[in-house]
Amino acid sequence: GIQVEQSPPDLILQEGANSTLRCNFSDSVNNLQWFHQNPWGQLINLFYIPSGTKQNGRLSATTVATERYSLLYISSSQTTDSGVYFCAVATSGGSYIPTFGRGTSLIVHP
Amino acid sequence: DSGVTQTPKHLITATGQRVTLRCSPRSGDLSVYWYQQSLDQGLQFLIHYYNGEERAKGNILERFSAQQFPDLHSELNLSSLELGDSALYFCASSVGLSNYGYTFGSGTRLTVV
Repeated sequence: GIQVEQSPPDLILQEGANSTLRCNFSDSVNNLQWFHQNPWGQLINLFYIPSGTKQNGRLSATTVATERYSLLYISSSQTTDSGVYFCAVATSGGSYIPTFGRGTSLIVHP
Repeated sequence: DSGVTQTPKHLITATGQRVTLRCSPRSGDLSVYWYQQSLDQGLQFLIHYYNGEERAKGNILERFSAQQFPDLHSELNLSSLELGDSALYFCASSVGLSNYGYTFGSGTRLTVV
């Protein structure tokens, strides 16, 4: 199956800092999603982005499908951004069920 | 509120017991996916239903079963529970079969004692 690697595994920031999270995948994809799991366990869909660039407030994401990676940018981070960020991908030629990466754990200090 | 409703939020039960977890998808969504999240295994796909039919199975144990009803809500049945079944169980819904984003429910935290 498709391999999904997220980096860094852990990230600690001061409030106001910017950060970039990366998701590498091993095959062509037709489905790529970014999720945020908050400290209470809730999983929130941030972006559906199999290709291209999207922005939502302080968050933006870019997927370069031909080079098999996606980036999630967080600008002017806030304490409420803390939690785990997952990317999930599904291949064009294999199972349509997205495979989740292990996540990037983000802690934002005030 | 994501629009996906999961009940109960918490469940504590003894080994050997059977429990049922319930999920109501977002209005208009035909797909329901079940996932298990444990500390050591991450988010593991269990099973997918689309418009009442099973469409894909993941690493779902034989002690576990699921179904999707005509009103599109889904139930995940876990039987002969073991300590290792303690985990967060999520359902997610989407409009179609693939190439769509997921919306997750808030999860059911199952503790087996």
